[in-house]
Amino acid sequence: GAGVSQTPSNKVTEKGKYVELRCDPISGHTALYWYRQSLGQGPEFLIYFQGTGAADDSGLPNDRFFAVRPEGSVSTLKIQRTERGDSAVYLCASSLARAGPYNEQFFGPGTRLTVL
Amino acid sequence: TQLLEQSPQFLSIQEGENLTVYCNSSSVFSSLQWYRQEPGEGPVLLVTVVTGGEVKKLKRLTFQFGDARKDSSLHITAAQPGDTGLYLCAGVKLAGGGSNYKLTFGKGTLLTVNP
Repeated sequence: GAGVSQTPSNKVTEKGKYVELRCDPISGHTALYWYRQSLGQGPEFLIYFQGTGAADDSGLPNDRFFAVRPEGSVSTLKIQRTERGDSAVYLCASSLARAGPYNEQFFGPGTRLTVL
Repeated sequence: TQLLEQSPQFLSIQEGENLTVYCNSSSVFSSLQWYRQEPGEGPVLLVTVVTGGEVKKLKRLTFQFGDARKDSSLHITAAQPGDTGLYLCAGVKLAGGGSNYKLTFGKGTLLTVNP
């Protein structure tokens, strides 16, 4: 079956511009996560959706970052007034609704964002 | 802030050698997961360990969770070029009002197995 897909795969923008990154989770997965992975680092948690609502947005670095999931499926991560430090790979993951320590998340291939 | 320390950060070995990578933390986790990530791809889950002292085997890979559930190790026997990749450990802890089992990743160990 289809895995998590993310578009675009690469995005180059200029400092100060607005960008949107899209995530299509695995069908039937109600939990969705966004992570940011900088060069030489592991993924860092940004935000978690359970259905349509953001259940945990404690990882968003500042108010330039915002994410939505209006119908409980596709999610969009929005970054305003981009800065060079925002350059990273943005990963999306989804999982089934049940919570628990096994919590298997399935990751997409990521969007590589470069801010010039 | 990364709460999980992985070592070594880089490892280059010859095909057929054995290796161990470590994942250490001062925090206790509900469980610990190991992922493998290849260039241009997202991480792929290899294993989840839940019980202190637990050992799991996946073909030539052996995973161990420390007794205190703060650390873990991954041992690969007779490494092959296909094992090349970034190995990430992730601690799982309940957060966000009780519904989010949040993953906290280490920086990873970049393994290269030369033929």
